[in-house]
Amino acid sequence: AQSVTQLGSHVSVSEGALVLLRCNYSSSVPPYLFWYVQYPNQGLQLLLKYTSAATLVKGINGFEAEFKKSETSFHLTKPSAHMSDAAEYFCAVTRGGANNLFFGTGTRLTVIP
Amino acid sequence: DAGITQSPRYKITETGRQVTLMCHQTWSHSYMFWYRQDLGHGLRLIYYSAAADITDKGEVPDGYVVSRSKTENFPLTLESATRSQTSVYFCASRELAGDYNEQFFGPGTRLTVL
Repeated sequence: AQSVTQLGSHVSVSEGALVLLRCNYSSSVPPYLFWYVQYPNQGLQLLLKYTSAATLVKGINGFEAEFKKSETSFHLTKPSAHMSDAAEYFCAVTRGGANNLFFGTGTRLTVIP
Repeated sequence: DAGITQSPRYKITETGRQVTLMCHQTWSHSYMFWYRQDLGHGLRLIYYSAAADITDKGEVPDGYVVSRSKTENFPLTLESATRSQTSVYFCASRELAGDYNEQFFGPGTRLTVL
């Protein structure tokens, strides 16, 4: 079985501060991991994905995530938050041969001016 | 318009009525998916389709019916809507090759069942 757990349903950071959104996965086989972002009243947009090529993955809008097998984690970070980063972020997992993604419950990021 | 579209964007209906949510994609992606998004649950898969005329259940299929007669369309029908089906519904599509390929999401349909 596969699942992801996102710690913290709400995260607030000041503009310019580090963004850290946590995701831990559970998978009995090597996983593929994704971070999606959802802006208000919109669909989900892919930020980045891990497909075993490199453990540090860089995505769009300055975000990156590091796959740590020993910690079963795939935390999302951004060095300096911008007001436009305010959104809901979802971590998701799948595996080879699977047909769908398993999503976490989401983390709402608020950026304080 | 290129991409993946959903209609209607907003729908209010009554308990017991039949409702169909439409999804259309222009990429000729083989895979299409229907998710529902609920607070505290994230997105959960309802049904998916690997190709025209091939569909399969996801995590929460009860109360829903899908069909896929054409590659580009994947309608979701609630045969007799219930209040518990009030949710935001997202359609997504993905290329055939590569399980790690990105799923592209539509803008969603907000459904309210009274």
